[in-house]
Amino acid sequence: GALVYQYPRRTICKSGTSMRMECQAVGFQATSVAWYRQSPQKTFELIALSTVNSAIKYEQNFTQEKFPISHPNLSFSSMTVLNAYLEDRGLYLCGVRDWGNYAEQFFGPGTRLTVL
Amino acid sequence: GDSVTQTEGLVTVTEGLPVKLNCTYQTTYLTIAFFWYVQYLNEAPQVLLKSSTDNKRTEHQGFHATLHKSSSSFHLQKSSAQLSDSALYYCALSDGDYAQGLTFGLGTRVSVFP
Repeated sequence: GALVYQYPRRTICKSGTSMRMECQAVGFQATSVAWYRQSPQKTFELIALSTVNSAIKYEQNFTQEKFPISHPNLSFSSMTVLNAYLEDRGLYLCGVRDWGNYAEQFFGPGTRLTVL
Repeated sequence: GDSVTQTEGLVTVTEGLPVKLNCTYQTTYLTIAFFWYVQYLNEAPQVLLKSSTDNKRTEHQGFHATLHKSSSSFHLQKSSAQLSDSALYYCALSDGDYAQGLTFGLGTRVSVFP
């Protein structure tokens, strides 16, 4: 079955520092990887969508300068939160679409970011 | 922009009784698909139901939902709630080509009591 791993599961960083999180698809090749953030008391907000053979598309309120994403191959993506502040805390999920079943997004368990 | 509105907060239900979670949407997509995701504690959200066909009932694990484009709704229902149904439920909108990211509702926590 389709599995999506995220690393780390939890991380704490000091205000103003940066942290990198990873998303790995296992057992299938991803046609796209979407990164979401769930802030306290909020739903999942789409940060950016990375699709094979296309430029990474960032949503309003999210920028490449703040959330640079690397998508070097069909099964792996990483995103960095640069200069993290309190408002960046939350659960970061990656959603991956499979070449063979692109109707569904399979989610990883998320990386929970705490900013001190 | 696109938005999804669902029953907010906590829904409590007695085991064996029916449960219904509302979900409505606004979208600029010409074609759409809809999902209900369920998230258990400390686990990833997983698809419970999905549909892209207007007025067609879709069922899975005792849950059912029908996409009604005329009323912009995709309500989730179950006739007899089970203890194991206690979880977070999210309604999510996709473009019909599955080329974009998802737009999620705020989520509803369902607690089933004996």
